[in-house]
Amino acid sequence: KAGVTQTPRYLIKTRGQQVTLSCSPISGHRSVSWYQQTPGQGLQFLFEYFSETQRNKGNFPGRFSGRQFSNSRSEMNVSTLELGDSALYLCASRGTAEETQYFGPGTRLLVL
Amino acid sequence: TQLLEQSPQFLSIQEGENLTVYCNSSSVFSSLQWYRQEPGEGPVLLVTVVTGGEVKKLKRLTFQFGDARKDSSLHITAAQTGDTGLYLCAGNYGGSQGNLIFGKGTKLSVKP
Repeated sequence: KAGVTQTPRYLIKTRGQQVTLSCSPISGHRSVSWYQQTPGQGLQFLFEYFSETQRNKGNFPGRFSGRQFSNSRSEMNVSTLELGDSALYLCASRGTAEETQYFGPGTRLLVL
Repeated sequence: TQLLEQSPQFLSIQEGENLTVYCNSSSVFSSLQWYRQEPGEGPVLLVTVVTGGEVKKLKRLTFQFGDARKDSSLHITAAQTGDTGLYLCAGNYGGSQGNLIFGKGTKLSVKP
């Protein structure tokens, strides 16, 4: 069974730009969560989608948004990028009625 | 705000030594997961513990969940250089299972 895939793996943007990251969950998984990982704050929850609906949202500004498609693939978007948005963005998928989340390799975003 | 405190933050040991990493909270978890993460990659699940007092073994790794389900420990026996990495605990407090609270991690370095 293929794992969680994320594209792109690396991205360099400049302040003020916007970015879209993509995540394909494990086949059959309908829940997708997004996390931001930085050296100072560690892993922080961004949001969770299930069956195309946002179920939970973390404490991040409205510049961070996401969506999920009918095939469970998910995208997250960050608008008006700031230097502090530089981070590893991780996506995790989970099967229904399952507690374990399986993570993708992440997208490393650098904002200059 | 639920917090997960992990200690120690950094650990540098020689191959063959034993070590223990701790994960504590003032809140009760419905489940807790331990992950290992290598640089530039996503966290890889090691174990999920659900029942208070539960002990799980994975080769040289022993995971314990506190009786009150507020704390957990990871013990590694006879560490090897391949154990080097960032060890993360993550708790689910009974909300949506797609929203994990992570500790900041323990960075383990095992020297030959």
